Amino acid sequence: DAGVTQSPTHLIKTRGQQVTLRCSPKSGHDTVSWYQQALGQGPQFIFQYYEEEERQRGNFPDRFSGHQFPNYSSELNVNALLLGDSALYLCASSLRPGGKPDEQYFGPGTRLTVT
Amino acid sequence: SQKIEQNSEALNIQEGKTATLTCNYTNYSPAYLQWYRQDPGRGPVFLLLIRENEKEKRKERLKVTFDTTLKQSLFHITASQPADSATYLCALDPISSGSARQLTFGSGTQLTVLP
Repeated sequence: DAGVTQSPTHLIKTRGQQVTLRCSPKSGHDTVSWYQQALGQGPQFIFQYYEEEERQRGNFPDRFSGHQFPNYSSELNVNALLLGDSALYLCASSLRPGGKPDEQYFGPGTRLTVT
Repeated sequence: SQKIEQNSEALNIQEGKTATLTCNYTNYSPAYLQWYRQDPGRGPVFLLLIRENEKEKRKERLKVTFDTTLKQSLFHITASQPADSATYLCALDPISSGSARQLTFGSGTQLTVLP
């Protein structure tokens, strides 16, 4: 049973560029949440996708957008990259948005470096 | 605004001793408080959850307490081992059932267990 997978593992981009990160949820899960974790900080909630729609959003600008596909996988897009966007981007999957609190699984993350 | 603080950035203890980590929060009324373990370059892994109406929860060598009056949770690892060395994150979980499980994380405490 595959857990949450994310690609790529690492990514280096230049300021102003755009990036797309990908996530496949754990088998049987239909909800994907994205978090940003800066170095030395805890993860910060970006948004959550369920039934191919954004259900809730944290305090992030519109430069951050996402998508969920019919197979429940998800993409995170960041436009006009800033140096401050350098972070570990984590994907978490669960069953339904308000699913059991102890059944949210995190992927290994994508390390994004903006130069 | 909501604030969550973990007692220290780093904690060193001797193998066999009990490690105690603290999580304090303000301007928040969580339904649940969760503790995660995060190893370098990896996503957080769920350890324990405690509900607002519970005082204490145990799982093997782990124990969590939750004092909603003090707005504090304590996380204990008894008989600590070098393999317990990692960053431990606490996360607040809102009560809204059916809505997105938007966790608010602390910045973590890096625990090192010395042999």
